[in-house]
Amino acid sequence: DQQVKQNSPSLSVQEGRISILNCDYTNSMFDYFLWYKKYPAEGPTFLISISSIKDKNEDGRFTVFLNKSAKHLSLHIVPSQPGDSAVYFCAAIRSTTSGTYKYIFGTGTRLKVLA
Amino acid sequence: EPEVTQTPSHQVTQMGQEVILRCVPISNHLYFYWYRQILGQKVEFLVSFYNNEISEKSEIFDDQFSVERPDGSNFTLKIRSTKLEDSAMYFCASSERLTTEAFFGQGTRLTVV
Repeated sequence: DQQVKQNSPSLSVQEGRISILNCDYTNSMFDYFLWYKKYPAEGPTFLISISSIKDKNEDGRFTVFLNKSAKHLSLHIVPSQPGDSAVYFCAAIRSTTSGTYKYIFGTGTRLKVLA
Repeated sequence: EPEVTQTPSHQVTQMGQEVILRCVPISNHLYFYWYRQILGQKVEFLVSFYNNEISEKSEIFDDQFSVERPDGSNFTLKIRSTKLEDSAMYFCASSERLTTEAFFGQGTRLTVV
């Protein structure tokens, strides 16, 4: 059961243009969403997050949008830079009725920014 | 900047052997996690740990797996009898609070032969 989905396995964007990475989820009980960037042979690095009560969060070149009715979030990178080339994972935190929680990761989108 | 450290960076083991993967989370963090990523596949949640006990575990985290925080600084993942399919990159992570971002270590590449 893939609760967090990234339907585009890869994306290529010209340097300076906008990169838009998409993520869909199925569970309306997610409390918090995060985006991570991962370079080969390294651990995921946190980029930006958004609470389920918000619809937008911005940090420098990175903006995350959340559309709860569509169960969809997106990460916008403007302007894109070659150093942004990496695999991007969206993740969601779900708390359970027993008070536990779990991070669930999407399958990742490989972004390539072309110089 | 504080970071999560994992040792070793690469571990090769024979099938059926026990392995212990070690992690030192960020010192003021209270929540600890293990994830794994099989080559070419997604990052999969294994287990979360809080207040000296497992908070949540996935279906992957069966009786062959265990976690421990033996001394207040280390956080270990033990696989009792490794299988070929356990070969993966294992990531440790920690977070300060439940809904803050998790910081990941560089990973331990486990190769079971």
